[in-house]
Amino acid sequence: KAGVTQTPRYLIKTRGQQVTLSCSPISGHRSVSWYQQTPGQGLQFLFEYFSETQRNKGNFPGRFSGRQFSNSRSEMNVSTLELGDSALYLCASSGTRGNTEAFFGQGTRLTVV
Amino acid sequence: AQKITQTQPGMFVQEKEAVTLDCTYDTSDQSYGLFWYKQPSSGEMIFLIYQGSYDEQNATEGRYSLNFQKARKSANLVISASQLGDSAMYFCAMWTGGTSYGKLTFGQGTILTVHP
Repeated sequence: KAGVTQTPRYLIKTRGQQVTLSCSPISGHRSVSWYQQTPGQGLQFLFEYFSETQRNKGNFPGRFSGRQFSNSRSEMNVSTLELGDSALYLCASSGTRGNTEAFFGQGTRLTVV
Repeated sequence: AQKITQTQPGMFVQEKEAVTLDCTYDTSDQSYGLFWYKQPSSGEMIFLIYQGSYDEQNATEGRYSLNFQKARKSANLVISASQLGDSAMYFCAMWTGGTSYGKLTFGQGTILTVHP
């Protein structure tokens, strides 16, 4: 059974650009959550999608957005990149056990220059 | 507000010995769950163990066990027979009931170093 797949693994972008990250959850899982990890702030929750609907959102500016497709794959987009957006972005998928399980992907390491 | 506190920035252990990583939590919800994850330098967050607030038994998964003390609001991870491959960052995390869909609150982590 394949795990959570995030693409790409590494990205380098310039300030002001936008970026799209992808997350394919474990087969059968319908919930996808996104997190930002930085040395200063640690792991912070961005948002969660379930059956193409955003059910929960963290405290991030509107430059951070996401969506989920009918096959449960999710994308997150960051527009007008800032240097402070440099981080490891992790996604987690959950299945029928809901909040009692959360399996993470390998992450996408974004560097903004 | 929910909060996870990991007071040990770094821990050292000798190979084959046991080690306990501390985690305390704060929540007013009666329904919650606690996770431990391992994050090697590659960045992947690896699930280790889960404990629900209503679970009466301490969770165990192979060499990992969770020492759950509800009254003290602590959920310490015990790793038995440490291996060199256990060297990594370890995070304690919590979800709480209600509408916190998908949201885990993480501690700051503990770096574990296993010496040969």
